[in-house]
Amino acid sequence: EDKVVQSPLSLVVHEGDTVTLNCSYEVTNFRSLLWYKQEKKAPTFLFMLTSSGIEKKSGRLSSILDKKELFSILNITATQTGDSAIYLCAVTGTASKLTFGTGTRLQVTL
Amino acid sequence: DAGVIQSPRHEVTEMGQEVTLRCKPISGHNSLFWYRQTMMRGLELLIYFNNNVPIDDSGMPEDRFSAKMPNASFSTLKIQPSEPRDSAVYFCASSLTTGGHGNQPQHFGDGTRLSIL
Repeated sequence: EDKVVQSPLSLVVHEGDTVTLNCSYEVTNFRSLLWYKQEKKAPTFLFMLTSSGIEKKSGRLSSILDKKELFSILNITATQTGDSAIYLCAVTGTASKLTFGTGTRLQVTL
Repeated sequence: DAGVIQSPRHEVTEMGQEVTLRCKPISGHNSLFWYRQTMMRGLELLIYFNNNVPIDDSGMPEDRFSAKMPNASFSTLKIQPSEPRDSAVYFCASSLTTGGHGNQPQHFGDGTRLSIL
C-alpha cells in the first residue's frame, strides 16, 4: 500500500522566515510527487516532480525530489501571511490515483 | 477557463436520507476522482474513473456508497442511506491522463461540505 508521511504536522512562523516542509513516501512504481496548497477550499496545485535533483521553483516557493531517499522538500522563503495554509504532498504510482499525506498546517504570523 | 464544478456546496440532512453529490470535470480531462476529507483521516481517494469507466473503487467505504459517470462531463457520488460518520468534505478532481507520457496534475473542485445529523 502506498504511503506518504509529512512533517511537521503543524508549524507557526513569523512573516519573513524561511520554512522547509518535508515529505517521505513509499510507493510501488513511482511516477510523480505533487505538492498542493489548501486554504479554505480546494487544494491548488503547486509542483509536480518526477526526476531527482531538479529543483522546481515558483516565486518564493521551491521544491526538490530525492528518489533514492524517497523524500521531497518544499521551501518557502520570506514567508507572508498569505502563505498560511495546509500543504499537501501526494504521490502517484502505477495507477493514476494520488495518495496524499495528512498535510502540514503552516501559520505565518505578523 | 472553468474549473471543476461541484454541487451542492453544502448539504445538511438527517441520517437515513439519500445524498447525491455532483461533479462536472474540466472539459477535455479524461480522468475523474472522488475524495473524502476529514480531520482524522485527511484526503482519501474513494473512486476514480478513466474515460468514464470506474478503474479503482477500493476506497469506497461500503455498499452505501456508489458513483457513476454517465458521460465525460458529469459524475455523481451517492450515499444511501447516509450516516453521521459520513460527514466530511467531498472533493471531485479531474486530470488529463496521457498513458505513457505520464499524468497531468489533478485539479480540484471546491468541494461539498456534507453534514449528516
